[in-house]
Amino acid sequence: AQRVTQPEKLLSVFKGAPVELKCNYSYSGSPELFWYVQYSRQRLQLLLRHISRESIKGFTADLNKGETSFHLKKPFAQEEDSAMYYCALGFQGAQKLVFGQGTRLTINP
Amino acid sequence: DGGITQSPKYLFRKEGQNVTLSCEQNLNHDAMYWYRQDPGQGLRLIYYSQIVNDFQKGDIAEGYSVSREKKESFPLTVTSAQKNPTAFYLCASSRNSDSSYEQYFGPGTRLTVT
Repeated sequence: AQRVTQPEKLLSVFKGAPVELKCNYSYSGSPELFWYVQYSRQRLQLLLRHISRESIKGFTADLNKGETSFHLKKPFAQEEDSAMYYCALGFQGAQKLVFGQGTRLTINP
Repeated sequence: DGGITQSPKYLFRKEGQNVTLSCEQNLNHDAMYWYRQDPGQGLRLIYYSQIVNDFQKGDIAEGYSVSREKKESFPLTVTSAQKNPTAFYLCASSRNSDSSYEQYFGPGTRLTVT
């Protein structure tokens, strides 16, 4: 079955330090991967998707099909990055997304 | 914001009562979804609908019911059979296109049952 795993429920880093949120998926076909973010008191929103290959708010994520990973990275964390992050998998025929359990990122001043 | 709305923001009910959560979208999206968000458990899919008058059970459908009479609306009823209904409920919609699975989320409804 298709699955998304985010191994870290909580991640805490200091401001200015690099941050990496891990995401692994299980799917043998061609996946579509997303990172969603939920800031405090805001709705869940799309942060980035792998097919766009863009950097949003300094975050990037590269799809590694060999390792079935889609880790989210930012070289220098900022306090406003503190939020809940979800990795999600879309795949042909599914008509729905499969979400990971989420990682709560806290950036310490 | 806008595009997909949920009401009310907070809802309180007594145990044993059914309650209906509203979800409306004006994005002309075909597909709509209901999720439940609990701390440490991520997003769990309750029901989803790809087209009007059709819907499918998600991973945790027991104790819930939905209807899709209009493209714009996908209300969720939390019945008295749901054993642990207190949670944050999220509605989402998508274009239902083979080229994109991106979903757009509403602001959520926090339901408290006592």
